[in-house]
Amino acid sequence: QSALTQPASVSGSPGQSITISCTGTSSDVGGYNFVSWYQHHPGKAPELMIYGVSDRPSGVSNRFSGSKSGNTASLTISGLQADDEADYFCSSYTSSTTWVFGGGTKLTVL
Amino acid sequence: QVQLQESGPGLVKPSETLSLTCTVSGGSVTSGSHYWSWIRQPPGKGLEWIGFIYYSGTTKYNPSLRSRVTISVATSKNQFSLKVTSVTAADTAVYHCARIVDETNVFDIWGQGTTVTVSS
Repeated sequence: QSALTQPASVSGSPGQSITISCTGTSSDVGGYNFVSWYQHHPGKAPELMIYGVSDRPSGVSNRFSGSKSGNTASLTISGLQADDEADYFCSSYTSSTTWVFGGGTKLTVL
Repeated sequence: QVQLQESGPGLVKPSETLSLTCTVSGGSVTSGSHYWSWIRQPPGKGLEWIGFIYYSGTTKYNPSLRSRVTISVATSKNQFSLKVTSVTAADTAVYHCARIVDETNVFDIWGQGTTVTVSS
């Protein structure tokens, strides 16, 4: 069981929007604005999509956005495209000066 | 563009020591703004942070693995390494190395990962 809880899978049609949740505790997600999101195509290096809850690295499409409410962070992908199909996982810094991850969510673009 | 590449044996026997190396290219492990980390993902499970090292040698480990894990850095080779002792089948995983940005506590660069299987 992962420290952060994500849905196992989500799906959407091209052009639609989807949201992936990431639920932790007040010792990680709720306590710090150090939540990040990653896109992972199996066999490849994970790619940082969102950091600091809602900041995008240079080069990441503005179709990707992040937010947080209480102990739950969310990643929203708007205008779904076929190549968005991948695994997505969240991460948070913790009060123990460690990091925890979500179990990952498989996004299927229908 | 900084890239990370993991290397090491893909098969380790139970009770032996797992050893992996991460080679940094396009950047330097002596960067004062970054830490260098190991993360693993067992089959069918989520990711687990193992630990990090700063170029000075300062380390921090996941408490659940601290007694068996050592991370070291070789600045002259621009590499950092992971050792896990007394391995069991539970240590079977894809092992990734990653760079942590100091101010934002984010893993901004990852290696593609290497699969390590613990089996006799």
